[in-house]
Amino acid sequence: GAVVSQHPSRVICKSGTSVKIECRSLDFQATTMFWYRQFPKQSLMLMATSNEGSKATYEQGVEKDKFLINHASLTLSTLTVTSAHPEDSSFYICSAQIRGSNYEQYFGPGTRLTVT
Amino acid sequence: AQKITQTQPGMFVQEKEAVTLDCTYDTSDPSYGLFWYKQPSSGEMIFLIYQGSYDQQNATEGRYSLNFQKARKSANLVISASQLGDSAMYFCAMSRGYGNNRLAFGKGNQVVVIP
Repeated sequence: GAVVSQHPSRVICKSGTSVKIECRSLDFQATTMFWYRQFPKQSLMLMATSNEGSKATYEQGVEKDKFLINHASLTLSTLTVTSAHPEDSSFYICSAQIRGSNYEQYFGPGTRLTVT
Repeated sequence: AQKITQTQPGMFVQEKEAVTLDCTYDTSDPSYGLFWYKQPSSGEMIFLIYQGSYDQQNATEGRYSLNFQKARKSANLVISASQLGDSAMYFCAMSRGYGNNRLAFGKGNQVVVIP
């Protein structure tokens, strides 16, 4: 149980284009999902918190117009990187908090984004 | 602001031996949670263990145990009977409070288990 999927696992896009990453909780409902980014050999940095049916809450320094988050249902959140630049290349990981749990949070396998 | 510190360099551990990974934290919140995650080379984050700040007992999950010393603000992970599959990066993380699971992560510890 507690499986989180991400799609795509890898994506290469050209500068200036937009790319959408999906995060799904496959066998549980998630009222809250989180988006992180991880640069090579570095730690995870929280970008934003996504709650079903409401606007995402972004961490300080994260551009909300550049990283659009939509939490359309209790099992799906999407992150759209708009007008991508090479510096947006990173590993993006989502996590989902089990509905009704105080701390159980499970991570997706991550999406490797490369912007050329 | 919260801060998680993991300062150990990469570690080599003999198979079947125990290993302790250090984690210290700093927070002004009275209520918080501490987590350990494993990240193998494939990239996924695997939840290992959780300790709430008000929990009286140290958390244990199979071969994983958390040595929680609240006064010292440390939450060290102990892996007993290391296996080759334990080779990975290990991250300590902290949440802001009860039910608030925005996590702040440490820089991680690299562990390599050798046969």
